[in-house]
Amino acid sequence: DVVMTQTPPSLSVAIGQSVSISCKSSQSLVYSDGKTYLHWLLQSPGQSPKLLIYQVSNLGSGVPDRFSGTGSQKDFTLKISRVEAEDLGVYYCVQATHFPWTFGGGTKLELK
Amino acid sequence: EIQLQESGPGLVKPSQSLSLTCSVTGYTITSGYDWSWIRKFPGNKMEWMGYISYSGSTNYNPSLKSRISITRDTSKNQFFLQLNSVTTEDTATYYCARFDYWGQGVMVTVSS
Repeated sequence: DVVMTQTPPSLSVAIGQSVSISCKSSQSLVYSDGKTYLHWLLQSPGQSPKLLIYQVSNLGSGVPDRFSGTGSQKDFTLKISRVEAEDLGVYYCVQATHFPWTFGGGTKLELK
Repeated sequence: EIQLQESGPGLVKPSQSLSLTCSVTGYTITSGYDWSWIRKFPGNKMEWMGYISYSGSTNYNPSLKSRISITRDTSKNQFFLQLNSVTTEDTATYYCARFDYWGQGVMVTVSS
């Protein structure tokens, strides 16, 4: 299975601060069609997961442009510019290039 | 608006089968996409269990070996999860999802 290593496991931030979350995969996530199926999810407290970013850098529906995703091959980053209170929760990267699809361990974003 | 909703028992005895239903509204599951079951264990760990595609083909996580089955009823626009021979290790919150849309989740406890 592809191992997704997500760091840090937790982040304590102040409102308005910018943060980055890293996700590294044990194999390249480039699929045979040339696309990279690496996505980012946010699970806010008491809520279902929500798709933030799909295929590395594409914003999900209704997701503010404070969120951005970059990376390639095996190394990916989610950046949140100007954190707002609604951004708190657990962030996951997930790869859907190789079966079985696998998740990172999660990064819990908390208020400082 | 696309909505997914899980339903099923919240308590299952060890060695029995866990059966869940995902009811989809706002989109016909035979029109496109892969329709997944994903679970979140106590703590943050997430596991993709498998999917049924819009064409009816399935793909399962090998970690679940022969215990899992995902089927559908196209007349009701529903898909189903059956997990056999459950143990306490299967205690989790179960989500049905299309990745860009998620159900609210159902917490299932395996206990005698």
